[in-house]
Amino acid sequence: SQKIEQNSEALNIQEGKTATLTCNYTNYSPAYLQWYRQDPGRGPVFLLLIRENEKEKRKERLKVTFDTTLKQSLFHITASQPADSATYLCALASRGGATNKLIFGTGTLLAVQP
Amino acid sequence: EAGVVQSPRYKIIEKKQPVAFWCNPISGHNTLYWYLQNLGQGPELLIRYENEEAVDDSQLPKDRFSAERLKGVDSTLKIQPAELGDSAVYLCASSLVGSWEQFFGPGTRLTVL
Repeated sequence: SQKIEQNSEALNIQEGKTATLTCNYTNYSPAYLQWYRQDPGRGPVFLLLIRENEKEKRKERLKVTFDTTLKQSLFHITASQPADSATYLCALASRGGATNKLIFGTGTLLAVQP
Repeated sequence: EAGVVQSPRYKIIEKKQPVAFWCNPISGHNTLYWYLQNLGQGPELLIRYENEEAVDDSQLPKDRFSAERLKGVDSTLKIQPAELGDSAVYLCASSLVGSWEQFFGPGTRLTVL
């Protein structure tokens, strides 16, 4: 069956450290993968997109990697700040499907301690 | 520029009652989505519109859920009758047709008692 798995346990890190979140998938052939941030009581907000033929993408303190052999994406936040505390969702769009149809993972809660 | 607007933000009803949620997408966005999000889970697509046409409603429980997007702008999602298991956050999102970035509204938190 198709599955998208993210760390179910909350990730607690110290301010200034690098946070690394994992997204693993099975039985998908994603054309691209996205990462969203969701704060309590709000809808998800788009952060980054990485295509199947890309290995790495960066945006300011954010970095995403995509390994289609391992079927895994890693999301890194460098020099983390308490304001980075939120739930982070990965989402896949399958190759051959509608361009904008996304399947979301369960999300990982990140808590950055000052 | 205004984001995706949803109302109400919160709704508490008794089981078997009807309920409706309203969404106004970002101006110019042809594609509109309704998602359901249970606590501790990611959003799950219920229905996707391209303009006024529902192009993917395979996940919509059609025995009790219905949706419409008249004139291809605003949309309404209805549940009738509501069940206890329908308690969740209902998210609306919009995007430009063919775009991969979706813009989400704040959601409506539904509690069915």
